[in-house]
Amino acid sequence: GAVVSQHPSRVICKSGTSVKIECRSLDFQATTMFWYRQFPKQSLMLMATSNEGSKATYEQGVEKDKFLINHASLTLSTLTVTSAHPEDSSFYICSAKRADEQFFGPGTRLTVL
Amino acid sequence: GQQLNQSPQSMFIQEGEDVSMNCTSSSIFNTWLWYKQDPGEGPVLLIALYKAGELTSNGRLTAQFGITRKDSFLNISASIPSDVGIYFCAGPLNHGGSQGNLIFGKGTKLSVKP
Repeated sequence: GAVVSQHPSRVICKSGTSVKIECRSLDFQATTMFWYRQFPKQSLMLMATSNEGSKATYEQGVEKDKFLINHASLTLSTLTVTSAHPEDSSFYICSAKRADEQFFGPGTRLTVL
Repeated sequence: GQQLNQSPQSMFIQEGEDVSMNCTSSSIFNTWLWYKQDPGEGPVLLIALYKAGELTSNGRLTAQFGITRKDSFLNISASIPSDVGIYFCAGPLNHGGSQGNLIFGKGTKLSVKP
């Protein structure tokens, strides 16, 4: 149990376009999901906390208008990178919270040309 | 702000050797978590520690929650090739809330030579 999926696993897009990444908890419901960003050879950095039915909470320095988060159901949170630029290229990882534990998705590799 | 300092940054060992890595912080943590991340994958929880002084094992892995609550170590005994990966320590961010947001260390990259 406690499986989290992400789609797509990798995406390449042109600069200026928007990209949507999905995070799903497959066998449990998650009121809270988290979005992290990981640059090459770096650690995971928390971007925002996604709460079902309410607005996401963003970490300091993360632009909420650029990284749109929607948590419309108890099993799905989406992250949309708007007007993507090459510096947004990164590995985006979500996690879903069940009880006191976070279960991580496999990540989405975003490359912006 | 809160920071986790993890060492060493990387390790190159021979199969069969034991491995030790640690994590320290200038602030107190009430929970220490150890994760392993394979290339191109999300992290997977190895061991969770909830009490100062706690020593917990998971197969060949052993982790301890330091008495001061400012450090933790992870040991891997008799390493095998599939132990290769990046090991992260993590703990809850102190936001005053209970959502369990995590802060991660910079990771220890483990390479095992057969």
